[in-house]
Amino acid sequence: DGGITQSPKYLFRKEGQNVTLSCEQNLNHDAMYWYRQDPGQGLRLIYYSQIVNDFQKGDIAEGYSVSREKKESFPLTVTSAQKNPTAFYLCASVRDRASNQPQHFGDGTRLSIL
Amino acid sequence: QQQVKQSPQSLIVQKGGISIINCAYENTAFDYFPWYQQFPGKGPALLIAIRPDVSEKKEGRFTISFNKSAKQFSLHIMDSQPGDSATYFCAASKEADKLIFGTGTRLQVFP
Repeated sequence: DGGITQSPKYLFRKEGQNVTLSCEQNLNHDAMYWYRQDPGQGLRLIYYSQIVNDFQKGDIAEGYSVSREKKESFPLTVTSAQKNPTAFYLCASVRDRASNQPQHFGDGTRLSIL
Repeated sequence: QQQVKQSPQSLIVQKGGISIINCAYENTAFDYFPWYQQFPGKGPALLIAIRPDVSEKKEGRFTISFNKSAKQFSLHIMDSQPGDSATYFCAASKEADKLIFGTGTRLQVFP
């Protein structure tokens, strides 16, 4: 079955530590997205990538970094500069942005501060 | 102008009743309006979507009503069931641009 796999499901970060969240898709989708979900605030876009080796900042990119070296993979690094990282992180993909097809989501990673 | 406002924040409905969630937008360039359903600990899943050239779309017990002049759209869940208890998000986008999500509605359906 095709889908999006996010790992780990739960992650704990110490002060001053960078952590990386994994997102892998086998849907052969070109575009991938990272969202942050906080209670009562819906989903906010962190970064997105339309194609390999290219990505753009979303609405809340500060304190985060991404890479897109392979079509299937779009890892998100939460850096020590992100002072309030506790949230539910969701990865999504779509075949291509021009198709305006619905985004498919993974089951998320819950990040907490130790 | 990029916001999508969603209400209510939470909703309690008796089994068999109708659940109604409303969204409003400002950007008249938006041309794609999906609704997502999210269960605890899971990612959102597309429920139903509409484009502004139609005023209503129905899929099973789920209906989207769209009012272009009022810049509003709503989700109606007929014959609500306990299994429908979840958080629902509306969203909007312009052409192939990124989705703008509403803040979500937590629906609880009691037997």
